[in-house]
Amino acid sequence: DSGVTQTPKHLITATGQRVTLRCSPRSGDLSVYWYQQSLDQGLQFLIQYYNGEERAKGNILERFSAQQFPDLHSELNLSSLELGDSALYFCASSGGRDWTEAFFGQGTRLTVV
Amino acid sequence: LAKTTQPISMDSYEGQEVNITCSHNNIATNDYITWYQQFPSQGPRFIIQGYKTKVTNEVASLFIPADRKSSTLSLPRVSLSDTAVYYCLVGDKNDYKLSFGAGTTVTVRA
Repeated sequence: DSGVTQTPKHLITATGQRVTLRCSPRSGDLSVYWYQQSLDQGLQFLIQYYNGEERAKGNILERFSAQQFPDLHSELNLSSLELGDSALYFCASSGGRDWTEAFFGQGTRLTVV
Repeated sequence: LAKTTQPISMDSYEGQEVNITCSHNNIATNDYITWYQQFPSQGPRFIIQGYKTKVTNEVASLFIPADRKSSTLSLPRVSLSDTAVYYCLVGDKNDYKLSFGAGTTVTVRA
């Protein structure tokens, strides 16, 4: 158990819909990272937050957004969903700005039908 | 982040030592070398990190030559449960982005 909690574990939704994925980082961790993993694209970095502020952005679509709340939990919002958005979405956290030892959650498997 | 190159796949048998080499020719002075392990449908798990020479923990060893242009992850006496994808990451701790490449799929057979 990494200490990072993601909910829900599975999500099935229709194209065009909007979903919210939630992540609770390890106790005391200030950085939260979001990743998308699909079969054909591997593990893709989406976005990172540090203590409520966006720190780095990767290959995140404009239809996707994220935020980190004062209690440090984070949410990833995916809208206007397409079939290609079906993937595993991982959240990770680390203690500070140092990314090198991050702890990953079990992921949310999103299926868009 | 420095670009890394590692083999796509490796096969081994139970009880053997597995060595995965990662090339990172353009590694910078402030860069660290970090390895992660990922099982199917699970999040990656930190294995080991090093800057130079040798680092050992209860799971693996990491060998880094003096020029730091490559590194080798060594998994001693692997078992079936070590079948996973192993990722090599090289970067500055303050770079913020944690980016994974394709990784090396290690398959351990009985």
